[in-house]
Amino acid sequence: GENVEQHPSTLSVQEGDSAVIKCTYSDSASNYFPWYKQELGKRPQLIIDIRSNVGEKKDQRIAVTLNKTAKHFSLHITETQPEDSAVYFCAVSGGYQKVTFGIGTKLQVIP
Amino acid sequence: DSGVTQTPKHLITATGQRVTLRCSPRSGDLSVYWYQQSLDQGLQFLIQYYNGEERAKGNILERFSAQQFPDLHSELNLSSLELGDSALYFCASSLSPTATDTQYFGPGTRLTVL
Repeated sequence: GENVEQHPSTLSVQEGDSAVIKCTYSDSASNYFPWYKQELGKRPQLIIDIRSNVGEKKDQRIAVTLNKTAKHFSLHITETQPEDSAVYFCAVSGGYQKVTFGIGTKLQVIP
Repeated sequence: DSGVTQTPKHLITATGQRVTLRCSPRSGDLSVYWYQQSLDQGLQFLIQYYNGEERAKGNILERFSAQQFPDLHSELNLSSLELGDSALYFCASSLSPTATDTQYFGPGTRLTVL
């Protein structure tokens, strides 16, 4: 089955700095890569997703880049704010295969 | 608010007992997924239903079972509960049966087994 690795497991940044979280996957047939943000005790919420026919997608301060050849994709958050503090999960799926989630990255934005 | 509802919000029970968790998908969504999230762990896929039929199975224990009813709500049944079953249980819904469709998560049910 699919194997997803997510790094780092924890990340602390100063407010205003950028944060980057990276995920690698194993199945070259995977073609859907969403990112979820989960605040403590709350539901995972989709913040951005990318499909394999594009290499980059942006939504205000959030961007995702995809390198299908190397089988990795990254989440970039610019101008971080305290409310960005949460756990971020990457996920991978393709066709009729189930979604596989990464282990999560705990992001702390220090005011 | 994602439009996905789950009840109850919290559940406290004892080892050996059986509980039922309920999920109502977003209006129009036909797929329901169940996930388990243990403390400091990622999301583990348990099972998926699409339009009443089981679609995919993940790491679901034999003590656990699920079903989706004609009105599309789903129930996850957990039996012979063990301490290690304590976790957050999320359901998610999507329109189509494919895992490449965006999934919207419910607020979760926190299960505590004492």
